[in-house]
Amino acid sequence: DVVMTQSPLSLPVTLGQPASFSCRSSQSLVHSDGNTYLNWFQQRPGQSPRRLIYKVSNRDSGVPDRFSGSGSGTDFTLKISRVEAEDVGVYYCMQGTHWVTFGQGTRLEIK
Amino acid sequence: EVQLVESGGGLVQPGRSLRLSCTTSGFTFGDYAMSWVRQAPGKGLEWVGFIRSKVYGETTEYAASVKGRFTISRDESKSIAYLQMNSLKTEDTAVYYCTRGRTLASSDTFDIWGQGTMVTVSS
Repeated sequence: DVVMTQSPLSLPVTLGQPASFSCRSSQSLVHSDGNTYLNWFQQRPGQSPRRLIYKVSNRDSGVPDRFSGSGSGTDFTLKISRVEAEDVGVYYCMQGTHWVTFGQGTRLEIK
Repeated sequence: EVQLVESGGGLVQPGRSLRLSCTTSGFTFGDYAMSWVRQAPGKGLEWVGFIRSKVYGETTEYAASVKGRFTISRDESKSIAYLQMNSLKTEDTAVYYCTRGRTLASSDTFDIWGQGTMVTVSS
């Protein structure tokens, strides 16, 4: 099974400052079709998960452009350029290349 | 508007069964695989399994933790996906979400989620 490891587990950030989330996989996420199926999800308190980013760097419709995804192979990053209060919640990476595995999540809180 | 609505959760004793439903609307159900993902209280997300679309034979795959106990099915005429849970254990206590994707490796994988339904396994 592919293991997804996120860091840090908790991320306190001052409003207006950037935030960076790391996700590493135990093996390459490059699919046989050439794509890399690495997604990022946001889960606000009391809500269902919401997909933010698909295939490493593609923002979903309605996702603010302060969110961006990057990476390749086994190392991936989600960045928020300027954190807003509504960004509080847990962020999960997920790979869909080798079945499905989620990372354990990173909790974003306001400092 | 694309919608997924889970139902059927509740309190059940260990060893008993429960069937969850995921009622969908706003998209062509037959074009999509349907997955179930669960979240134990205070914990992260765990993929439970999925059922492929008709064109892929409606075959199923499951996580090791539920294989042999849980069964996913679908009713194309009603646009509903089901999760039949047998031999329930206390560790199956979780919010159960349904989500969609043409396959597990596609641009639309897990783009829409339901609101979830709570399953509590306790004596």
